[in-house]
Amino acid sequence: AIQLTQSPSSLSASVGDRVTITCRASQGISSALAWYQQKPGKAPKLLIYDASSLESGVPSRFSGSGSGTDFTLTISSLQPEDFATYYCQQTYTFGQGTKLEIK
Amino acid sequence: EVQLVESGGGLVQPGRSLRLSCTASGFTFGDYAMTWVRQAPGKGLEWVGFIRSKAYGGTTEYAASVKGRFTISRDDSKSIAYLQMNSLKTEDTAMYYCSRVLTVVTPGASDYWGQGTLVTVSS
Repeated sequence: AIQLTQSPSSLSASVGDRVTITCRASQGISSALAWYQQKPGKAPKLLIYDASSLESGVPSRFSGSGSGTDFTLTISSLQPEDFATYYCQQTYTFGQGTKLEIK
Repeated sequence: EVQLVESGGGLVQPGRSLRLSCTASGFTFGDYAMTWVRQAPGKGLEWVGFIRSKAYGGTTEYAASVKGRFTISRDDSKSIAYLQMNSLKTEDTAMYYCSRVLTVVTPGASDYWGQGTLVTVSS
């Protein structure tokens, strides 16, 4: 089974910072990767699908890139509402999550 | 407006069964594949299973951790997806989410999610 490894597992940043989260697959998965944001007590929210397609209604400061085994989620300028946990997903597998905290 | 509402969670003893429901509205339910995802307390997301639309056979796939114990089904006439959970174990304790899948053959990205229903397996 394909495994997804996110890095870092946690991250402290400030409002206005540019942040990048990485998701590495144990084998090539073309561009079939999604990114989600989850806040405490809430369901996940889709941000990016097909590695780089922005879901409707998601702010343009979020972007995704990559193919094969290495993927990134970038937030260009952190806003207060972006502090949350982020997950990547490829079909049957989720990454372990990256918790983004306020510095 | 697309809505997914899970129900049926609760406290259940190990070895017993429980059936969760996911009631959909705001879209043509029968046109979409659906997925169940769970999240143990304080842990990450775990994919549980997937059911294709009838147009793609209505077939299912399951995570190894639940295969043979859990069954997903759908009633398109009622816009409901079900997760039948048998032989429950303490490690099945989690919040269970249903979601609508963007892809049709493989369980890809989910664009809409329910609020979740909590299942606690304990004696």
